[in-house]
Amino acid sequence: AQRVTQPEKLLSVFKGAPVELKCNYSYSGSPELFWYVQYSRQRLQLLLRHISRESIKGFTADLNKGETSFHLKKPFAQEEDSAMYYCARGGSQGNLIFGKGTKLSVKP
Amino acid sequence: GAGVSQSPSNKVTEKGKDVELRCDPISGHTALYWYRQSLGQGLEFLIYFQGNSAPDKSGLPSDRFSAERTGGSVSTLTIQRTQQEDSAVYLCASSLMTGRRNTEAFFGQGTRLTVV
Repeated sequence: AQRVTQPEKLLSVFKGAPVELKCNYSYSGSPELFWYVQYSRQRLQLLLRHISRESIKGFTADLNKGETSFHLKKPFAQEEDSAMYYCARGGSQGNLIFGKGTKLSVKP
Repeated sequence: GAGVSQSPSNKVTEKGKDVELRCDPISGHTALYWYRQSLGQGLEFLIYFQGNSAPDKSGLPSDRFSAERTGGSVSTLTIQRTQQEDSAVYLCASSLMTGRRNTEAFFGQGTRLTVV
């Protein structure tokens, strides 16, 4: 089965500390991988995708095919980064498969 | 409107009643997804449409749940004989498929269903 695993339900860090949200996916060729974010009282929205190799709001995500991981990283967390983060992959039937999500809490 | 629209935004229903949730995707988006978001449970996949057909219905929790999409546009998620455990936020998303590649999925604001 095609799966996305986010092992941490909750991650709490202090402002200015580095943050890494973990994501592992089941192997199936070369899947498309995404990170979505949901801020309080806002819609779920795309944060970044691996094919773009971009940095959004200071976040980056590196695809490691050997470890089948796509961890999301930011060197210095800000309070406004507090949100729910979801890792997702494209499925073989064109669908989108999401992980269960990690709630990031950045304390002042 | 330009975004994914869901109605109603809130629905309170009595246990045992049927409910219909509606999703208007972004015009031209061929892929449409339904998810359920429960407190502390993250994002649970329900069903995926490509055009009017549903190649993946694997996430529907029981036969009380059904969904249809007509004209490649509007979709309706129906829950029959609602139970209290059906209470959740139901999210709809749409995306433009290019071949078999996913583009960005745009989400609606959700329908908060409360079964009392």
